[in-house]
Amino acid sequence: KQEVTQIPAALSVPEGENLVLNCSFTDSAIYNLQWFRQDPGKGLTSLLLIQSSQREQTSGRLNASLDKSSGRSTLYIAASQPGDSATYLCAVKMDSGTSYGKLTFGQGTILTVHP
Amino acid sequence: NAGVMQNPRHLVRRRGQEARLRCSPMKGHSHVYWYRQLPEEGLKFMVYLQKENIIDESGMPKERFSAEFPKEGPSILRIQQVVRGDSAAYFCASSPGGSNSQYFGPGTRLTVL
Repeated sequence: KQEVTQIPAALSVPEGENLVLNCSFTDSAIYNLQWFRQDPGKGLTSLLLIQSSQREQTSGRLNASLDKSSGRSTLYIAASQPGDSATYLCAVKMDSGTSYGKLTFGQGTILTVHP
Repeated sequence: NAGVMQNPRHLVRRRGQEARLRCSPMKGHSHVYWYRQLPEEGLKFMVYLQKENIIDESGMPKERFSAEFPKEGPSILRIQQVVRGDSAAYFCASSPGGSNSQYFGPGTRLTVL
């Protein structure tokens, strides 16, 4: 059974800092890994999706890396801003032979960026 | 192109009543997933449906919960005889054929009194 763990559970940083969020998974037979952002009381916004054959993906100030063999992914946020404050969720999809299927989520990291 | 729609956004039920949660996938999407987020917990998969078929219901509680995705109309998650422990945010996601990206709706927040 796949288990996804995110560390730290919460993080508070001053504006402008670069930061790293960590995600680990127990079963390396994944199809892809996705990072989401969730604002309080809202739905999920997809940030980055990394296929199992890829090592990293970048979007603006965000960079996500994937080390499938060691079961780890990191989300790097450069020059953090107060607007980055949210819960960040990591989710993996198992390799079932098709592109469809459920996501297994971590518990999330609550990020607070203060001015 | 409107995103995934869920309604109602907030639903209050008394113990023993029925709750019906609706999800309209994005246009052209034929795959629907339901997830539940209990207070202080992460999102947990419940059920995966394609039009008129349940593909994977491994995350659904054995009793009181059912889901459908008819040929016409939205997907419905139905909870019969609700209990306080059903209070949670229920999220729907959809994806098109041939894609592995899931697009999430805003969720329905169910409160059972």
